[in-house]
Amino acid sequence: NAGVTQTPKFQVLKTGQSMTLQCAQDMNHNSMYWYRQDPGMGLRLIYYSASEGTTDKGEVPNGYNVSRLNKREFSLRLESAAPSQTSVYFCASRGEWSNQPQHFGDGTRLSIL
Amino acid sequence: TQLLEQSPQFLSIQEGENLTVYCNSSSVFSSLQWYRQEPGEGPVLLVTVVTGGEVKKLKRLTFQFGDARKDSSLHITAAQTGDTGLYLCARGSQGNLIFGKGTKLSVKP
Repeated sequence: NAGVTQTPKFQVLKTGQSMTLQCAQDMNHNSMYWYRQDPGMGLRLIYYSASEGTTDKGEVPNGYNVSRLNKREFSLRLESAAPSQTSVYFCASRGEWSNQPQHFGDGTRLSIL
Repeated sequence: TQLLEQSPQFLSIQEGENLTVYCNSSSVFSSLQWYRQEPGEGPVLLVTVVTGGEVKKLKRLTFQFGDARKDSSLHITAAQTGDTGLYLCARGSQGNLIFGKGTKLSVKP
């Protein structure tokens, strides 16, 4: 029962470095999401993908890019990391209907020095 | 922005006590989901409520959706240490979810 798998679990970067966060789901879900979670701010949507081949901006997209590589995989890229991007990043996926639950990975804890 | 306000922000209680946490909005929403997030993990869905006035029970947890579909509550009876976590409510918005900031619950033995 893998569900949603995120890699890496932890990462420390220096300001200006780039990196890609990986996410894969094995539930054959069409919709996938990237959130960031900061203390006192709840979960905020960065980007989402309603289906393979489509991506859209969420609430806080600046400084990020995404790729929906195939139906299973949705990656998040930081081109030039900034300290303000220090956060916990969660990937989620959802089945066909909007009332269905989102299934979350266990997160990537990213620190940018 | 269709905000969801959750209260209280923090709650610390003793094992065996009862508690209620709230999720409110100024606008009507078609459905609401409650999630629980334990430290180091992602949120996990507890329940979805869709009908005004609806009450759903999940063991010691009782979820209520307000008649006007602008608010929801989660009541826990006889809290246990295993109930410790962050409780998040989320409303649907154009196929996505908007989350509240959560109530952080700590149940002490």
